[in-house]
Amino acid sequence: DAKTTQPNSMESNEEEPVHLPCNHSTISGTDYIHWYRQLPSQGPEYVIHGLTSNVNNRMASLAIAEDRKSSTLILHRATLRDAAVYYCILRKTGNQFYFGTGTSLTVIP
Amino acid sequence: DAGVIQSPRHEVTEMGQEVTLRCKPISGHNSLFWYRQTMMRGLELLIYFNNNVPIDDSGMPEDRFSAKMPNASFSTLKIQPSEPRDSAVYFCASSLGGGWGARQYFGPGTRLTVT
Repeated sequence: DAKTTQPNSMESNEEEPVHLPCNHSTISGTDYIHWYRQLPSQGPEYVIHGLTSNVNNRMASLAIAEDRKSSTLILHRATLRDAAVYYCILRKTGNQFYFGTGTSLTVIP
Repeated sequence: DAGVIQSPRHEVTEMGQEVTLRCKPISGHNSLFWYRQTMMRGLELLIYFNNNVPIDDSGMPEDRFSAKMPNASFSTLKIQPSEPRDSAVYFCASSLGGGWGARQYFGPGTRLTVT
């Protein structure tokens, strides 16, 4: 299975930016980097994905290191509704996703 | 769009009983996934279907677990007989297409408690 390493937990103040790191040193050239989050008592939901270039969408930005061995999910202004577990996933061949332990984000009012 | 629908939302059963979890994927999606989530093991992929055909069931824990997808709009995950260690939240997810950028849409989950 593709391995990703994330901090177990992080805290952020409300309305400040949050940078969630992920290490994936075993990534191969065709692996996509996906981020999902899971709000309390809900199923995971898609946040963003990328291959090599940085990506932006309405929820977040994804910064991918030049060697692709790490990436950072950026929430530009954290809100209380962003408190969740964030999963960084490497997607290899096929459709399967393998979730790691994720980062539990606490947003402080 | 109603999203992925799972039923029941909660299930409490006694050890040894048969349990059937149900999933209706998003209309038009051709891939379906069953996951299990526990505090100890996190989110685990159990089985994956593509165009109603099981592609990878290596995550199914043992023969007590079985999954079917008789048509594009319905799937079941059955546990027979159930055991207390099967207590978990079971998620169903669906996606469209096989591209590596295809996102998965998760249902709300079924919380199973086996006493």
